[in-house]
Amino acid sequence: EAGVTQFPSHSVIEKGQTVTLRCDPISGHDNLYWYRRVMGKEIKFLLHFVKESKQDESGMPNNRFLAERTGGTYSTLKVQPAELEDSGVYFCASSSLPGQGTETQYFGPGTRLLVL
Amino acid sequence: GQQLNQSPQSMFIQEGEDVSMNCTSSSIFNTWLWYKQDPGEGPVLLIALYKAGELTSNGRLTAQFGITRKDSFLNISASIPSDVGIYFCAGPETGTASKLTFGTGTRLQVTL
Repeated sequence: EAGVTQFPSHSVIEKGQTVTLRCDPISGHDNLYWYRRVMGKEIKFLLHFVKESKQDESGMPNNRFLAERTGGTYSTLKVQPAELEDSGVYFCASSSLPGQGTETQYFGPGTRLLVL
Repeated sequence: GQQLNQSPQSMFIQEGEDVSMNCTSSSIFNTWLWYKQDPGEGPVLLIALYKAGELTSNGRLTAQFGITRKDSFLNISASIPSDVGIYFCAGPETGTASKLTFGTGTRLQVTL
């Protein structure tokens, strides 16, 4: 069974440009999460989808970030326009059970974003 | 939001040594998770703890859920080179279903 995949693995863009990150969860997983780790800090929650609906987007930093999960399969996270402080590693995770907090979240390898 | 403090931040040990790291919080967590991140990869769940006082092992790894529900520790016995990586504690934020709060991580380096 394929794990969580993310694309691209790395992205280097200039301040002001737009970047779109993609996440393909494990097949059949209704729960999809986005997290971010800024250099040297903890991994922080961004948002949680259940199928195509946003269950919790309390961690989204600001309105420059837009996450979608049309059709309830893969998800995209767009940053527009990108700022220097958006640099970091963006992780996607998925899980199968209703989000009761005890199911295992399987993480993808992350997208390393560098904004210059 | 809730915060998790991990210590130490980094460790340099020799192969064969035992390792201990811990995680503390000022607030209660009802579940404690320990993840490991290998270079270039995403975090992988090592151990999950669901009850205060619970002691759980996974091979050479042992983790405990503190009685106060505000701390947890992870021990690795007889370290090997593939133990290198960053270890994170995490837990679902109180009042949420699955929004994980992570610690800042402990970076482990193992020398031969």
